[in-house]
Amino acid sequence: ELKVEQNPLFLSMQEGKNYTIYCNYSTTSDRLYWYRQDPGKSLESLFVLLSNGAVKQEGRLMASLDTKARLSTLHITAAVHDLSATYFCAVDIYSGGSNYKLTFGKGTLLTVNP
Amino acid sequence: DTAVSQTPKYLVTQMGNDKSIKCEQNLGHDTMYWYKQDSKKFLKIMFSYNNKELIINETVPNRFSPKSPDKAHLNLHINSLELGDSAVYFCASSQAPRDPYEQYFGPGTRLTVT
Repeated sequence: ELKVEQNPLFLSMQEGKNYTIYCNYSTTSDRLYWYRQDPGKSLESLFVLLSNGAVKQEGRLMASLDTKARLSTLHITAAVHDLSATYFCAVDIYSGGSNYKLTFGKGTLLTVNP
Repeated sequence: DTAVSQTPKYLVTQMGNDKSIKCEQNLGHDTMYWYKQDSKKFLKIMFSYNNKELIINETVPNRFSPKSPDKAHLNLHINSLELGDSAVYFCASSQAPRDPYEQYFGPGTRLTVT
């Protein structure tokens, strides 16, 4: 069974600092997604990483994928309060026929303090 | 225009009752999903439909029955509700079962069973 592990699960950081969230997964996949969820809200897609070595950047967030290490990272640069949210990684795995399904990590609750 | 909508947003009911949650997407996608997010924010897929056909059916009690009258709608009916069914239920859609891009999530339905 696929395991998707995120760490840390809780991250409190100061504005202006940098930090990285890690997402490890236990089986082969070349498709990994990052989502953001604000309290009481839905999930918003941040990044789609489709191959080994993929790197995507949007504002202060940068995501990368190393399929050989089965590791994705979400790097936060010069954090601001607006980045406070829960961040999920999700791995796409084969589920039979021509179908695939997403398995989510437990999420990282990020709090950015002034 | 809302891409993926769900009704109701909140649902409070007593144990033993039967309830339904409705989902509609106006993105023209072929595939729709139901996810359950528990109190610890853990997200797990329950069902997936592609063009009204069930393609993913996770280990979910048979009190849960999805129905897809057309590819734009996926409803979830729950019989004999139990306390453990309390959660937020998210509907999502994607272009295809093996869509290399993101799934779009609805706003969620918070179900509370008392």
